Amino acid sequence: ETGVTQSPTHLIKTRGQQVTLRCSSQSGHNTVSWYQQALGQGPQFIFQYYREEENGRGNFPPRFSGLQFPNYSSELNVNALELDDSALYLCASSFPTSRTDTQYFGPGTRLTVL
Amino acid sequence: AQSVAQPEDQVNVAEGNPLTVKCTYSVSGNPYLFWYVQYPNRGLQFLLKYITGDNLVKGSYGFEAEFNKSQTSFHLKKPSALVSDSALYFCAVRDGRGGNNRLAFGKGNQVVVIP
Repeated sequence: ETGVTQSPTHLIKTRGQQVTLRCSSQSGHNTVSWYQQALGQGPQFIFQYYREEENGRGNFPPRFSGLQFPNYSSELNVNALELDDSALYLCASSFPTSRTDTQYFGPGTRLTVL
Repeated sequence: AQSVAQPEDQVNVAEGNPLTVKCTYSVSGNPYLFWYVQYPNRGLQFLLKYITGDNLVKGSYGFEAEFNKSQTSFHLKKPSALVSDSALYFCAVRDGRGGNNRLAFGKGNQVVVIP
């Protein structure tokens, strides 16, 4: 196990609702990245947080937002849910350096939007 | 933009036979390449990475990968496959746009090891 935890494991929402997903990073890691993995696809980068600041964003609309807290845990918020938001949401923590920036993933949160 | 391609959807191999999962990459600059494995209803587990140095990288669970710069490939290999190796395998490249260490993943390869 990586030491990265995510909650909840599963949740079901309806279109138009809002959702908050949570991630606790591995001890000593100051960077959290969020990815969306649709069924049958590879993970797609949503955004990254480094020391509580957003540090890069993928091709996702502004209704996807996030936070990082002083203990480096993180939240992913999605507003105005759409059916296509149904996916496995993965969080990964790392401690980026030029040579040892492996990202370690949590088990994911399975979101179903009805 | 950095990208990887995994040309095969599924790889079938008999238990005990060598396993190869293919990955090619496209990057500007030095490539930082990774392999992850995903079991059903689980997150991604790190297997190995290439940053620099020896072209043959050894990783977890007996896996290794060969970096080939001329062919822009980073194929994952295991000399003798186990039934428990049946899983989804992802190749990824570090995409350092904006100074972060985001990963760009391939679409994945389903590996089926037949007893």
